[in-house]
Amino acid sequence: GQSLEQPSEVTAVEGAIVQINCTYQTSGFYGLSWYQQHDGGAPTFLSYNGLDGLEETGRFSSFLSRSDSYGYLLLQELQMKDSASYFCAVCNTDKLIFGTGTRLQVFP
Amino acid sequence: DTGVSQDPRHKITKRGQNVTFRCDPISEHNRLYWYRQTLGQGPEFLTYFQNEAQLEKSRLLSDRFSAERPKGSFSTLEIQRTEQGDSAMYLCASSRKGGGETQYFGPGTRLLVL
Repeated sequence: GQSLEQPSEVTAVEGAIVQINCTYQTSGFYGLSWYQQHDGGAPTFLSYNGLDGLEETGRFSSFLSRSDSYGYLLLQELQMKDSASYFCAVCNTDKLIFGTGTRLQVFP
Repeated sequence: DTGVSQDPRHKITKRGQNVTFRCDPISEHNRLYWYRQTLGQGPEFLTYFQNEAQLEKSRLLSDRFSAERPKGSFSTLEIQRTEQGDSAMYLCASSRKGGGETQYFGPGTRLLVL
């Protein structure tokens, strides 16, 4: 079977740093992607880790440890517009297997 | 790059009716994916195409669901004999070949089965 676990909800204040963890168990694994989805919107790609280590894209960074079946998304200098759901997704051959998502609420 | 488009954006139907959704991917993308998303859940993979070939279909997908991509461009997803449990957001995404980790999603079609 395949499963991904993320915290259901995280809250933080503007300007803070937040880390969203993801652990996975899958039968096939090519890498870990992260997507953002605002209420009523479509998922949008944020970051991908195909290899162990840290990937940095502006205020967002993502980390992967294959040996621990673990990854995280780090959001820095939080802004109100970052309030959204964040999904980790295992890239399995060419399809994505999504977690249940973490709802991030940013407060002023 | 005009993005992925889906039509219709909303569909209300009665149980037992057939519905068809359309997805137009980003023009240079040869991979096209269909997902279903219910409230509070992540997108659930349904099927995907490379050009006109359907390469994989979820084992969880009922025989009432069928998808086509006849000319390797747009795709249609048909649900026959709809059930209330089919109510969900149906998302389409596209990517370049070998770029399955980076998918571009359309706005989705929200289906409500009464």
